[in-house]
Amino acid sequence: RKEVEQDPGPFNVPEGATVAFNCTYSNSASQSFFWYRQDCRKEPKLLMSVYSSGNEDGRFTAQLNRASQYISLLIRDSKLSDSATYLCVVNNGFSGGYNKLIFGAGTRLAVHP
Amino acid sequence: DVKVTQSSRYLVKRTGEKVFLECVQDMDHENMFWYRQDPGLGLRLIYFSYDVKMKEKGDIPEGYSVSREKKERFSLILESASTNQTSMYLCASSPGHKNTEAFFGQGTRLTVV
Repeated sequence: RKEVEQDPGPFNVPEGATVAFNCTYSNSASQSFFWYRQDCRKEPKLLMSVYSSGNEDGRFTAQLNRASQYISLLIRDSKLSDSATYLCVVNNGFSGGYNKLIFGAGTRLAVHP
Repeated sequence: DVKVTQSSRYLVKRTGEKVFLECVQDMDHENMFWYRQDPGLGLRLIYFSYDVKMKEKGDIPEGYSVSREKKERFSLILESASTNQTSMYLCASSPGHKNTEAFFGQGTRLTVV
């Protein structure tokens, strides 16, 4: 089983739609969680961290369920510019004082007019 | 501005060659990582380092080695390149505490022929 698993996608949605991505992780000791965004032929960049209480940044909402080992990302009012691959990331490190970032395979989103 | 620089954007090497991929960061980060990214598989961790001269194997270290002689530089070495090492290689760095963002270089597209 992969350490981090995501919806395979691709998701093709019209502008203005609401879309949700899911991610599960296998290591119950994982300490921190993130969503990254990767545009075509570019490097990944942090979209948002995911906190236990859930957090929102504009049109983006991230949720964490530790009991189910599940992370989600909700995008409201999708824009054309949201088209990208969204990567779920889990930090399995720092028991030894370091970070070990494990990435999911990513979910591709295509927003069309 | 945060900067992670990989020495080459594109490389073509022959089977059996020794290949060096260099990565430099200017943020005084403790942690540095090497990933490879392949379609459908996402980013897979090859090696990471949490301090000078310290290294840890990631999920797919076979066929690779690394060197971290200075804090700002993390090198990935393919001792004898093979065609199945054709991939996009991404270097990243992050500070030495949890809940922190990792910053990526622009990637090196390596083709082994």
